[in-house]
Amino acid sequence: GAVVSQHPSRVICKSGTSVKIECRSLDFQATTMFWYRQFPKQSLMLMATSNEGSKATYEQGVEKDKFLINHASLTLSTLTVTSAHPEDSSFYICSARLSGRETQYFGPGTRLLVL
Amino acid sequence: GDSVTQMEGPVTLSEEAFLTINCTYTATGYPSLFWYVQYPGEGLQLLLKATKADDKGSNKGFEATYRKETTSFHLEKGSVQVSDSAVYFCALPDRGSTLGRLYFGRGTQLTVWP
Repeated sequence: GAVVSQHPSRVICKSGTSVKIECRSLDFQATTMFWYRQFPKQSLMLMATSNEGSKATYEQGVEKDKFLINHASLTLSTLTVTSAHPEDSSFYICSARLSGRETQYFGPGTRLLVL
Repeated sequence: GDSVTQMEGPVTLSEEAFLTINCTYTATGYPSLFWYVQYPGEGLQLLLKATKADDKGSNKGFEATYRKETTSFHLEKGSVQVSDSAVYFCALPDRGSTLGRLYFGRGTQLTVWP
């Protein structure tokens, strides 16, 4: 149980385009989902926390107009990188948790390369 | 605020060696503690957890004991395998907000040679 999927697993796009990444909880309802960014050989950097049906809470320094997060249902959250640039290239990982539970379950990650 | 500190890596071991990855925490009270593992090119997987002091979490031959006296949650395995090569993260929850965030250590890279 507690499986989280991400799609796509890998994406290459041109500078200036927008990219959408989906995060789904497959066998449980996730009241809260988290989006992280990870640079090579580094720890995870939390970008934002989203609760179903409400606006995401962004961490300091993360541009909310750049990284659009939508959590429209209890099993789906999306991250859209708008007007992507090469510096947005990174590994993006989502996680999900049940209401009142501390354990987060992670997706397999999406590797974004912006040319 | 609450935080975790992990030993710096990388750690390189031969197969069947004993593994210890140190993790200490700073917190008021006794938060839950977690170990996550990240295999190359993948997301994180929950390896084990302990929810109260003196608890021992275990999974896949790995163990960690929640020791309040030393504020530690060290990860151990008696005999590592090549397939254990990964990055290991210690974590604890952010109890200062309702967002449910986790605070992660910097991660420890483990490489096991045959």
